Amino acid sequence: KNQVEQSPQSLIILEGKNCTLQCNYTVSPFSNLRWYKQDTGRGPVSLTIMTFSENTKSNGRYTATLDADTKQSSLHITASQLSDSASYICVVSSFKAAGNKLTFGGGTRVLVKP
Amino acid sequence: EPEVTQTPSHQVTQMGQEVILRCVPISNHLYFYWYRQILGQKVEFLVSFYNNEISEKSEIFDDQFSVERPDGSNFTLKIRSTKLEDSAMYFCASSILAGETGELFFGEGSRLTVL
Repeated sequence: KNQVEQSPQSLIILEGKNCTLQCNYTVSPFSNLRWYKQDTGRGPVSLTIMTFSENTKSNGRYTATLDADTKQSSLHITASQLSDSASYICVVSSFKAAGNKLTFGGGTRVLVKP
Repeated sequence: EPEVTQTPSHQVTQMGQEVILRCVPISNHLYFYWYRQILGQKVEFLVSFYNNEISEKSEIFDDQFSVERPDGSNFTLKIRSTKLEDSAMYFCASSILAGETGELFFGEGSRLTVL
């Protein structure tokens, strides 16, 4: 069964500090791995998409890494801001001809405090 | 910037009633999806739709659920006879491409409360 596990479940950091979120997956066949940001009560918004051959991808202060051999990914947030408070969801895609099937992790809830 | 829009934002219904959730995907997108998120739980895949037919559905998407693209713009999810456990946030998503670069754009969600 395809699964995506994230850790920690939640964390609190001070504004300006960095943090790293972890994601482990068992999804087959693997197509790509995505990180989404989800504000409470809102739809997920894509941060990064990485394919099998990509190790690192950045989007502003967000940097995602992927180790396809160990099936692990991380999302690093640099110089956190209050607006970074949200859930960060790791999503792994299995591609089929008629569309992507996404398996969602449970998310890491990040709270940035001033 | 183009976006996926969903209506209603919140619907309260009695158990056993039919509910239709509406979505307007981004206009040039070809692949459409419904996901749901029960409060405090993971986002779960319901169904994908391409070329005017269901391409895949999960075990959650039983006979009580149906999807339709009645015209060139709307994409609807119908729950025929709602149950308490159908209470959740329902997200519509669309993508222009499948495959490795198939970026999914999500709507803001429709919160369904079944009493």
